[in-house]
Amino acid sequence: DIQMTQSPASVSASVGDRVTITCRASQGISTWLAWYQQKPGKAPKFLIYGASSLQSGVPSRFTGSGSGTDFTLTISSLQPEDFATYYCQQANSFPLTFGGGTKVEV
Amino acid sequence: QVQLVESGGGVVQPGGSLRVSCAASGFTFRNYGMHWVRQAPGKGLEWVVFIRHDGSNTKDADSVKGRFTISRDNSNNTLYLQMNSLRPEDTAVYYCAKDMGRGLNFYYYMDVWGKGITVTVSS
Repeated sequence: DIQMTQSPASVSASVGDRVTITCRASQGISTWLAWYQQKPGKAPKFLIYGASSLQSGVPSRFTGSGSGTDFTLTISSLQPEDFATYYCQQANSFPLTFGGGTKVEV
Repeated sequence: QVQLVESGGGVVQPGGSLRVSCAASGFTFRNYGMHWVRQAPGKGLEWVVFIRHDGSNTKDADSVKGRFTISRDNSNNTLYLQMNSLRPEDTAVYYCAKDMGRGLNFYYYMDVWGKGITVTVSS
C-alpha cells in the first residue's frame, strides 16, 4: 500500500498569510494526487487533481505542485473561509489512500 | 444540481449487519464509478470501496474485505454498501462520493460528496 504523509499536522496562520502544506508518498505516484478541504461537520470538498489542476469553481489562490513522491498545496493569501483541514489522496493504485490531514487554524 | 444523499445509518451491535444507501441525482449515474469513504470520530479520511460505472468490478480496503459489499442499481440511481460482521472500529461517518472519471476513463478522484451518514457499532 502507498502511504501518504502530510506535514505539518497543523499550522497557525492569519488572514493574508501564504500557507504551504506538504504531502509525501511512500513510492512514486507520478501526478496522481488530489487535494481536499474539509470543514468541521461537513463533507470534504474537491480542490485539486492531477497534482496541479484546479477543480472548477475553486479560487485561484489555491495552487498544487509536485510529482513523483513530493507534493505541495499552497494558499497564496489565506482567507477567513480557508480555515479548515486539508487532505491529500493518491489515485495511483488501490487501495486509495489519504494523508493524515493538515489543520489550518488561527 | 449534482447531489448525493446517504441514508440508512444507525446504531448496530458488534457482529451485526447494516445496509446504507446513496441516492444520486443531477448527473448520469450509470456513467460514473462510485466510492464509499469513511471517517471515524476525530480521525482522518479512509477510503473503503469502489465500484465501476457498470458494476463489473469492485475494489475494497483490506480493513473491510470479506465483510463489506458495494453494489449499485443504475435503473434507480442508487448506490449501496452492505456491511456485515460489524466491529466497533467500523464506527464512522460514511460518505458516498462520485468518481471524476466517466465510463472507462478512470481517475479515482472524488469530485462530489454526499453529506455523510453516521454508523455506530456498539453494544
